[in-house]
Amino acid sequence: DAKTTQPPSMDCAEGRAANLPCNHSTISGNEYVYWYRQIHSQGPQYIIHGLKNNETNEMASLIITEDRKSSTLILPHATLRDTAVYYCIVTVNNNAGNMLTFGGGTRLMVKP
Amino acid sequence: EPEVTQTPSHQVTQMGQEVILRCVPISNHLYFYWYRQILGQKVEFLVSFYNNEISEKSEIFDDQFSVERPDGSNFTLKIRSTKLEDSAMYFCASSEFWTGPSPLHFGNGTRLTVT
Repeated sequence: DAKTTQPPSMDCAEGRAANLPCNHSTISGNEYVYWYRQIHSQGPQYIIHGLKNNETNEMASLIITEDRKSSTLILPHATLRDTAVYYCIVTVNNNAGNMLTFGGGTRLMVKP
Repeated sequence: EPEVTQTPSHQVTQMGQEVILRCVPISNHLYFYWYRQILGQKVEFLVSFYNNEISEKSEIFDDQFSVERPDGSNFTLKIRSTKLEDSAMYFCASSEFWTGPSPLHFGNGTRLTVT
């Protein structure tokens, strides 16, 4: 089972920031937080990951709380193309590679 | 940007037939994976593959499934005797490193329809 909890759906106005929360209260010290998204019928797309520190790349920012029990993915200026299901996944890297356990995710609807 | 490619995009087969789903991972990646997603359900892990052998597999990956890297570029998933419940999107993925954080890069999937 997924070790994260996300709201099932959210709306966001186009051009505004989308803030997607994720709870991972049982995260272990060696587990990373990964975010992926799945645009309708396509394969999951990697967005960003982090361990302790906040991270930013060209797609998004990831804010991880100091106790690491929750995080927020921020899309700074959401567009209609950002409409997708967003998955927050915690995983430890081991010799089997990064096996991911997907939960239900958050269905983000960006509206004009 | 390099990407994972999967063929065919849609495969229709009759129950009991064998199917082979094909994937070309990103060229410098070392780990390969298959996931599936039944319509309306979650994405599920099937198997991971490294150094020409299975690293890990889920309960779904039973004896009717097999994986192979027949040459230096392709990675295949074979379903020996398809069942109606095998109908799903099958996603191939690859990752670069075998230790340390390494995101998975997914293809756009093969839609398998078993009739």
